[in-house]
Amino acid sequence: SAVISQKPSRDICQRGTSLTIQCQVDSQVTMMFWYRQQPGQSLTLIATANQGSEATYESGFVIDKFPISRPNLTFSTLTVSNLSPEDSSIYLCSVDEGDYTEAFFGQGTRLTVV
Amino acid sequence: GENVEQHPSTLSVQEGDSAVIKCTYSDSASNYFPWYKQELGKGPQLIIDIRSNVGEKKDQRIAVTLNKTAKHFSLHITETQPEDSAVYFCAASGGSYIPTFGRGTSLIVHP
Repeated sequence: SAVISQKPSRDICQRGTSLTIQCQVDSQVTMMFWYRQQPGQSLTLIATANQGSEATYESGFVIDKFPISRPNLTFSTLTVSNLSPEDSSIYLCSVDEGDYTEAFFGQGTRLTVV
Repeated sequence: GENVEQHPSTLSVQEGDSAVIKCTYSDSASNYFPWYKQELGKGPQLIIDIRSNVGEKKDQRIAVTLNKTAKHFSLHITETQPEDSAVYFCAASGGSYIPTFGRGTSLIVHP
């Protein structure tokens, strides 16, 4: 199993600023993902973080708003840029081996934009 | 792409009762069906999963059933306890290795 450390666990940010979320895994993993979970909603995939190349974004999410880095097989960051109140949500980092097995999640980052 | 529907959105039971959460999926290529439990302030955690070559799987008070013909799968929790209170998500993957999640069920177990 993979242990994921995600930080910060929560933050309150001013609109127009940015927040960078870090995800550290205790082992090398192939697949890393970033999800958004709006209050009372399901998990919406933002992007797949690819090691050594640009992230793959899902429909409705763009690199300018959600830049992602993946410098190695154990670490990734997600930045939420130009914050607005609509960005208030929980952001989750997830990893799996991409072979139809269990996904592991960080504890999430609760972002509130004021 | 895959579409996963989950019902009910909220389920309230008395301690000791059983709870059943149902999901349907659309992609017949899906072959892996995990269930996750998310407690307040935490990320989702796998509680049980089932693959398409199995019709039922049980782990103590938790069981999952799969009907591939009808494209639906269910989570059964028996003898519920207050600590079972959480949000439960079903998911399906296989057509794509990235899972598609249901909208979640908030289970409330009253002591």
